[in-house]
Amino acid sequence: NAGVTQTPKFQVLKTGQSMTLQCAQDMNHEYMSWYRQDPGMGLRLIHYSVGAGITDQGEVPNGYNVSRSTTEDFPLRLLSAAPSQTSVYFCASSLPGRLNTEAFFGQGTRLTVV
Amino acid sequence: ILNVEQSPQSLHVQEGDSTNFTCSFPSSNFYALHWYRWETAKSPEALFVMTLNGDEKKKGRISATLNTKEGYSYLYIKGSQPEDSATYLCAFIRHGQNFVFGPGTRLSVLP
Repeated sequence: NAGVTQTPKFQVLKTGQSMTLQCAQDMNHEYMSWYRQDPGMGLRLIHYSVGAGITDQGEVPNGYNVSRSTTEDFPLRLLSAAPSQTSVYFCASSLPGRLNTEAFFGQGTRLTVV
Repeated sequence: ILNVEQSPQSLHVQEGDSTNFTCSFPSSNFYALHWYRWETAKSPEALFVMTLNGDEKKKGRISATLNTKEGYSYLYIKGSQPEDSATYLCAFIRHGQNFVFGPGTRLSVLP
């Protein structure tokens, strides 16, 4: 059971470039989310999805797009990378519609925008 | 935006010491409170999921309590070991809303 698989682990982008961070889970979790982690600020929610075909914005959505065409996959797209998007990104999933059960996290992507 | 606070921000203890830290959250419309352990270069892993006022949970030397009426949770580590060194995150969930994570408490256990 792979859990939550997140790729790549590391990425360096130039300002203005676009890229997609991949996230896949094999636990049939309906709820998936993307966070960024910056020093001293904890995990901040970027976008989330409560099921295939449904996405919504979190606390810091600007500059990011998501889609949820399948239950398993929840990619995060950076449209035009900016240095302010230098961060560590985590994808997470949890059991269908039940927020009183734990979240499972991917291994994280360390992104640097130069 | 919900405000979830954790204190202290960081602490250093000697091996064998017991320690505790706090997570504070809004007390209205409480749904659940999670604690996660986050080791450097790894992803956060759940320690406890707490849903009821007065909940006390224990896993080995680590335990947690929950007070939903006053909006706080304590995490205790008894007899700290170097392998306990990590960042401990709490996450607050309000009815119908997402996880809101605190900034974490970074624990260093010195041998």
